[in-house]
Amino acid sequence: DAGVTQSPTHLIKTRGQQVTLRCSPKSGHDTVSWYQQALGQGPQFIFQYYEEEERQRGNFPDRFSGHQFPNYSSELNVNALLLGDSALYLCASSLAGLMSQPQHFGDGTRLSIL
Amino acid sequence: AQKVTQAQTEISVVEKEDVTLDCVYETRDTTYYLFWYKQPPSGELVFLIRRNSFDEQNEISGRYSWNFQKSTSSFNFTITASQVVDSAVYFCALRNYKAAGNKLTFGGGTRVLVKP
Repeated sequence: DAGVTQSPTHLIKTRGQQVTLRCSPKSGHDTVSWYQQALGQGPQFIFQYYEEEERQRGNFPDRFSGHQFPNYSSELNVNALLLGDSALYLCASSLAGLMSQPQHFGDGTRLSIL
Repeated sequence: AQKVTQAQTEISVVEKEDVTLDCVYETRDTTYYLFWYKQPPSGELVFLIRRNSFDEQNEISGRYSWNFQKSTSSFNFTITASQVVDSAVYFCALRNYKAAGNKLTFGGGTRVLVKP
């Protein structure tokens, strides 16, 4: 049973560039959430996708956008990268309607901005 | 707005000692879920335990136990007889019951170091 997989593992970019991170949910899950975790802090919710639409969004600027595909996989795009975007980006999957069930997380993509 | 506070930033113990992690939360919702996750150096958040707001029975699962007190908005977590493999960052998280979304609100985390 494949868990949540994220790619790439590490990424180095420079300010002003754009980046795309990818996530495949756990088998059987249909909802994908993205979180940003700065060094030494707890994860912060970015947004959530279900049925290929953004359903809920945290306090992040429009530079952060996403997409969900028919196979439930998802992408996180960040434009005009800033130094402050350096963080671990975590993807979590779940099954819609099962509110009591925990979200399952991937290993994350560590993004460094130079 | 929801908020989760983990006042302890780091705890250091010797193997076999018990470790208790504190978590205090704020929410205006009457129905919600509370979680504890473990984050080893690899980065993945590993689910440990869950408690819903309408069940205050405290439980034990192996070496893990938790104390949920709705009256004080606390959800503390204890590792009994700690082991070196328990060394990690532990996060308390809150999720409301609204069907529109199930985002998690995390605390700042507590780093646990278990020394042999």
